[in-house]
Amino acid sequence: GAGVSQSPSNKVTEKGKDVELRCDPISGHTALYWYRQRLGQGLEFLIYFQGNSAPDKSGLPSDRFSAERTGESVSTLTIQRTQQEDSAVYLCASSRGIYNEQFFGPGTRLTVL
Amino acid sequence: KNEVEQSPQNLTAQEGEFITINCSYSVGISALHWLQQHPGGGIVSLFMLSSGKKKHGRLIATINIQEKHSSLHITASHPRDSAVYICAVLTSGTYKYIFGTGTRLKVLA
Repeated sequence: GAGVSQSPSNKVTEKGKDVELRCDPISGHTALYWYRQRLGQGLEFLIYFQGNSAPDKSGLPSDRFSAERTGESVSTLTIQRTQQEDSAVYLCASSRGIYNEQFFGPGTRLTVL
Repeated sequence: KNEVEQSPQNLTAQEGEFITINCSYSVGISALHWLQQHPGGGIVSLFMLSSGKKKHGRLIATINIQEKHSSLHITASHPRDSAVYICAVLTSGTYKYIFGTGTRLKVLA
């Protein structure tokens, strides 16, 4: 079966524009995670969704960031009024549950000019 | 001080050597992950554990909850093991992930 997919794979945008990143998890995976990795730095946890429960948004870096997930399917991460500091690879992962192995997508490389 | 510390930060080994990477944490956890990030950026989950020991092929992961410490061992290392190894803890109660800074491993042929 297909793994976790993310789109676009690369996104170049101008400062101040909004961007939307998409994640398609593995079918049947109830848990979905968003992470960020700035160039040369470690992974940062942004948010996770578990089933239909409301996500804890406190890990999002600022109120310009928002994430949604419809049921147990696709998730979108939206960054409004992008800043140069938002440039990073945004990774999505999914798992059967929070105590199960995570499968990572290939990431979206975001460059804000 | 970071809540999740890994050591060493960098490690160079000769093919065939036994390798140990350490992870210490200072928060309460529900589980701990070991991840492998390949030079191209792709990330693979190696282990998730909350107690004891797990083994998969040449990889072994252990965790000591009382000491708040985990180790990842690689037996008979090979150049294809060259990657960044990342420890991540799932905090108890809040269910957030905190990552270590990673250990960059290079195995020479």
